[in-house]
Amino acid sequence: QVQLVESGGGVVQPGRSLRLSCAASGFTFSNYPIHWVRQAPGKGLEWVVVMSSDGYNKYYADSVKGRFTVSRDNSKNTLDLQMNSLRHEDTAVYYCAKTWDGGLSVTGTLDYWGQGTVVTVSS
Amino acid sequence: EVVLTQSPATLSLSPGKRVTLSCGASQNVDSFLAWYQQKPGQAPRLLIYDASKRAAGIPARFSGSGSERDFLLTIDTLEPEDFGIYYCQQSRWPPFTFGPGTKVVFK
Repeated sequence: QVQLVESGGGVVQPGRSLRLSCAASGFTFSNYPIHWVRQAPGKGLEWVVVMSSDGYNKYYADSVKGRFTVSRDNSKNTLDLQMNSLRHEDTAVYYCAKTWDGGLSVTGTLDYWGQGTVVTVSS
Repeated sequence: EVVLTQSPATLSLSPGKRVTLSCGASQNVDSFLAWYQQKPGQAPRLLIYDASKRAAGIPARFSGSGSERDFLLTIDTLEPEDFGIYYCQQSRWPPFTFGPGTKVVFK
């Protein structure tokens, strides 16, 4: 069955860095764009970034552009999110999620989600 | 960026009722609109995609309609397990924005 497992969350001081990872199984990872979506405590869902199946195309939310970098290793079925210059407002549960339809085009419908990893930015 | 609005913000209902949730887009997104349900402490679950297609395993009491800028999610005969927050999301262009959500609570 499809599984997405996030890791790497924790408590970090403002201005520091953190790297999240998403490990996928149960589907052909290299065929699907993968997204990160976050949710601040008590708030709604915020889309963060998507990377195309081949890793060539990446799209970021304005709120993280220039600070976050997404990468993937299709040989290891993993997607990483390098988060630099972290701010208090980056505090959230970070979910990775699989696009419903595979292929090279990037689309937004998310059919499987991980359980999330918690990032807390605090001094 | 496409901005999504949802109404109402909160609904308080009894089981067995029919409920309609609304989602509006600031730009035409054709039929590229999805609905998700989220319960406390859980990841969101895909209910509807492409405005009106039910995702795998979703009960038939959930239905979606609409196109371009105005969309609806209807739940026929509300069940106790349907409480939670419902989010719409446009899947047309990045950034793939979400609406602020509608919270469904039981009386």
